[in-house]
Amino acid sequence: EVQLLESGGALVQPGGSLRLSCVASGFTFSNYPMSWVRQAPGKGLEWVSSIGGSGVRIHNTDSVEGRFTISRDNSKNTLYLQMTSLRVDDTAVYYCAKEWGASGWTGWLDPWGQGTLVTVSS
Amino acid sequence: EIVLTQSPATLSLSPGERATLSCRASQSISSYLAWYQQKPGQAPRLLIYDVSNRATGIPARFSGSGSGTDFTLTISSLEPEDFAIYYCQQRSNWPRTFGQGTKLEIK
Repeated sequence: EVQLLESGGALVQPGGSLRLSCVASGFTFSNYPMSWVRQAPGKGLEWVSSIGGSGVRIHNTDSVEGRFTISRDNSKNTLYLQMTSLRVDDTAVYYCAKEWGASGWTGWLDPWGQGTLVTVSS
Repeated sequence: EIVLTQSPATLSLSPGERATLSCRASQSISSYLAWYQQKPGQAPRLLIYDVSNRATGIPARFSGSGSGTDFTLTISSLEPEDFAIYYCQQRSNWPRTFGQGTKLEIK
């Protein structure tokens, strides 16, 4: 069974930094692109960042470009999101998600982890 | 950025009724559209991909259609567990984008 377990969410002040982790199990982690998607309280889904299986290919949404860095350690089956210069509007539940399908980029996300809450407030 | 607009924002129906949810793209996305379901306190799950293909384990009462800019998710006969929020998502261009969601509530 595929499982994704996020951690690292916390209350942080504006301008601060945080690193989220997502430990994966139940599949060959290095074969799959992975993504982060966030959901502000009571709001919809917003795709944040994606990374290819080897870690070379990366895509970010404009609002986090230059502030957030997605990375992965395939030896540890772990996905990361390093967040810096955090803003109040970065407050959200952050989900990690596996690229759906047999392998490679399909564009669809499934399954998703349970999420970790990041609150940016003074 | 491709904007996806879902309608209606809220749909109030009774169990057993047919639900029709819409998603419109700001430009053509061919058949690169998926639907997700999210229940309160849970992560989203993939329902439909590439417009009309059901993901593993998704009941046949869920179906998708459309192409280009206009897409539809249909639930043929609502079960109590179907009341949730539904999101469409496109993979035609980066950034991947989601619609704002349609809340399907019990009437």
